[in-house]
Amino acid sequence: SAVISQKPSRDICQRGTSLTIQCQVDSQVTMMFWYRQQPGQSLTLIATANQGSEATYESGFVIDKFPISRPNLTFSTLTVSNMSPEDSSIYLCSGGGRAGGYTFGSGTRLTVV
Amino acid sequence: SQKIEQNSEALNIQEGKTATLTCNYTNYSPAYLQWYRQDPGRGPVFLLLIRENEKEKRKERLKVTFDTTLKQSLFHITASQPADSATYLCALDGGMDTDKLIFGTGTRLQVFP
Repeated sequence: SAVISQKPSRDICQRGTSLTIQCQVDSQVTMMFWYRQQPGQSLTLIATANQGSEATYESGFVIDKFPISRPNLTFSTLTVSNMSPEDSSIYLCSGGGRAGGYTFGSGTRLTVV
Repeated sequence: SQKIEQNSEALNIQEGKTATLTCNYTNYSPAYLQWYRQDPGRGPVFLLLIRENEKEKRKERLKVTFDTTLKQSLFHITASQPADSATYLCALDGGMDTDKLIFGTGTRLQVFP
């Protein structure tokens, strides 16, 4: 199965700034997704990163706040824009195909102060 | 509304016993259901996938059942070991026209020696 490298692993950011999280996959994957996970909680899907087109966002998430890029089948970025303390969370990317399960990055622990 | 529910309380069992975790869903018609393991500070790791036309699937000490009438999946770990202690998440596909995964609330399993 694919291996996903996600960085940074953690960051502490000032409110009002932006952070870009990167995910690199060691092989081409059809689908990539971005999730948010509050400590002790389950994963909430932010968006599907579509290669060559705009991401598809879930209810409650918007492009201006969470712009996503997917320039090719092995790479994607998520930007958390104009951050507030409420954005403090763990952000995870995943990739793979429907039949074989999905691989996840190790996560980015974001703290906004 | 759509829901994916797992035992919210932690499951504590003795080493060697069989652990059984439950995943119930409402207002979904999944083509398949997946189970993941998540350790603290790590991303989820794919364990098993079962399709809507399969009743049961096994992998080593793991067994998953899928009852689309009851809208329920059971996840069993036989001969459990302390190393099996983790949070286990079930996930459903978002429908036939999408590959996105929607995760359940997760169940924390603790296996005592």
